[in-house]
This record gives sequence, structure tokens and C-alpha cells, in this order.
Amino acid sequence: KQEVTQIPAALSVPEGENLVLNCSFTDSAIYNLQWFRQDPGKGLTSLLLIQSSQREQTSGRLNASLDKSSGRSTLYIAASQPGDSATYLCAVWAGANNLFFGTGTRLTVIP
Amino acid sequence: NAGVMQNPRHLVRRRGQEARLRCSPVKGHSHVYWYRQLPEEGLKFMVYLQKENIIDESGMPKERFSAEFPKEGPSILRIQQVVRGDSAAYFCASQPIRQRTSNSYNEQFFGPGTRLTVL
Repeated sequence: KQEVTQIPAALSVPEGENLVLNCSFTDSAIYNLQWFRQDPGKGLTSLLLIQSSQREQTSGRLNASLDKSSGRSTLYIAASQPGDSATYLCAVWAGANNLFFGTGTRLTVIP
Repeated sequence: NAGVMQNPRHLVRRRGQEARLRCSPVKGHSHVYWYRQLPEEGLKFMVYLQKENIIDESGMPKERFSAEFPKEGPSILRIQQVVRGDSAAYFCASQPIRQRTSNSYNEQFFGPGTRLTVL
């Protein structure tokens, strides 16, 4: 059964720092991996989708990488801002009829 | 372009009542997924539906929970005789079609969720 783990569970950084969020998954036979952002009491906003054949995706200050063989993905956020404060979720599509989600990393960017 | 819409956004029920959660997928999307997020936990898959068909309900509790996606109208997640443990955020996601090209599947688009509170 696919299990997705995100480390750390919570992270606080001062504004302007670059940071990396980690996601690992147990079954490397995935089709794609998505990174989402969730604000308190709100829904999910898709940030980046990496297909299994890709190594990374970039959108603005965000860069996500995927290493299928090691079962790992990272989300890099450059020049963090207070508005980046949210919970970041990683999810993989692995052949079943659903996404498997990690429990998220709660990010706080301190002004 | 309207995204995935869910209503109500907040729902309060007393124990034993019924809860009906609605999801309107992105126009043209024929695949709908329901996920549940319990407090302080990750999202867990409940059910996957196509128009008029339940494809996979392996994540749905066997009793009290049901889902449908009729030919016309939104998808409905129905919880009968709610209990306090049903309090959670319920998210719906839609997908256009599932294309297996280069071992890749299409992206899922999520709605804002319905937060169910059972008193």
C-alpha cells in the first residue's frame, strides 16, 4: 500500500529565506505527483504537477523535483514571503483510483 | 471558467440526522472523487464516480455513507445518522478524462470543501 510522508511536519522561517519541503513515498511506481497548498479552513490549491516521466517543474518562486527511483520529491520555495504561510501537501497517483496524500508541512514565514 | 463547486461550505448536524454534500465538477469533467480530511489528519480517499456509475468505493465506510453522480446534476455524498466522528472536511475533486499516456494521468482539481460539524 502506498504511504506518503512529509517532513518536517512544521517549519518556521524568517521572510526572505529559501526553503525546502520534503515528500517521500513507498511505492515508486507512480504516475504523477502533485503539490498543493491549503490555507486554514480552506480548500486545496494545486501548485505543481510532475508527471512520472519528468524530473522537475517550476512555477514562479516554486520548483518541485521528483526522483522516482528513491521515492522522493522536494518543493523548493525561493525568497519566502509571509503570504506563503500555509500547509503544503504532497500527493501521488499510483495506479489505484485515487491520490495518496501526505499529512502536510505547516509553513510559517515570519515577517 | 467555474472550478469545482461544493455546497454547502459549512454544515452543522445533530447526531442521528442526515447530511447531504453536493459537488459540481468542472464543466466537461466526467470523473469525480470524494476525499475526507479528519482533524489533524491527511486527506483520505472515499469514492470515485463517473456519470451514473460508482467505480471504486473502497475508501468509504460500509454503513451510513453513500454517493451518487447522476446523469444530470451534481454528485451527492450522503451520510445517514451522523455521529460525532463524521465531523470532518469533505473535499470533492474532478478530472476531465483519464488518459494513460506515458504512464501519466490527468490532474485533479479540488473544490473548497464542505466542513461538517456534528453536535
